[in-house]
Amino acid sequence: KAGVTQTPRYLIKTRGQQVTLSCSPISGHRSVSWYQQTPGQGLQFLFEYFSETQRNKGNFPGRFSGRQFSNSRSEMNVSTLELGDSALYLCASSITGRGDEQYFGPGTRLTVT
Amino acid sequence: AQSVTQLDSQVPVFEEAPVELRCNYSSSVSVYLFWYVQYPNQGLQLLLKYLSGSTLVKGINGFEAEFNKSQTSFHLRKPSVHISDTAEYFCAVIRAGAGSYQLTFGKGTKLSVIP
Repeated sequence: KAGVTQTPRYLIKTRGQQVTLSCSPISGHRSVSWYQQTPGQGLQFLFEYFSETQRNKGNFPGRFSGRQFSNSRSEMNVSTLELGDSALYLCASSITGRGDEQYFGPGTRLTVT
Repeated sequence: AQSVTQLDSQVPVFEEAPVELRCNYSSSVSVYLFWYVQYPNQGLQLLLKYLSGSTLVKGINGFEAEFNKSQTSFHLRKPSVHISDTAEYFCAVIRAGAGSYQLTFGKGTKLSVIP
């Protein structure tokens, strides 16, 4: 079974631009969660989608948004990029998102200059 | 809200020596507990998890952890480490039975295995 895939793996953007990251979950998994990883703040939860609905949201500004499609693939968007948005963005999928194992993708490394 | 404290940010250990990575959590409700490993330039891989039942949990790659409710700890152990165990390890919790099931992570412990 294929694992969680994230595209692109690396991205360089300029302040003020917007960016869209993509995540394809494991087949059969309906829950997709997004996490931001930085050296200073560590791993922080962004949001979780289940059956195309945002079920939970972390403490991030409205510039961070996401969506999920009917095939469970998910995208996250960051508008008006700031230098502090430079991070590794990790996507994780699980069958139910109710405490069952979350499988992580390799992440997208976003650098904002 | 729950929180996770990993007491050591870096742990150097010689190859074939035992290692313990410490994790303490705080939560007013029952939790599920996890240990993840992250190799350079990769995502997170689940090592082991505690949901209920036996407090000693065995995971992949020879790792095990013990859930201690009275001390609110979930320390990770391996009796003999290998060079390939060099990585960053994250302890995480989920509030059991809560409306939100997101993982709350500790800051991580970098394990360096010295040949």
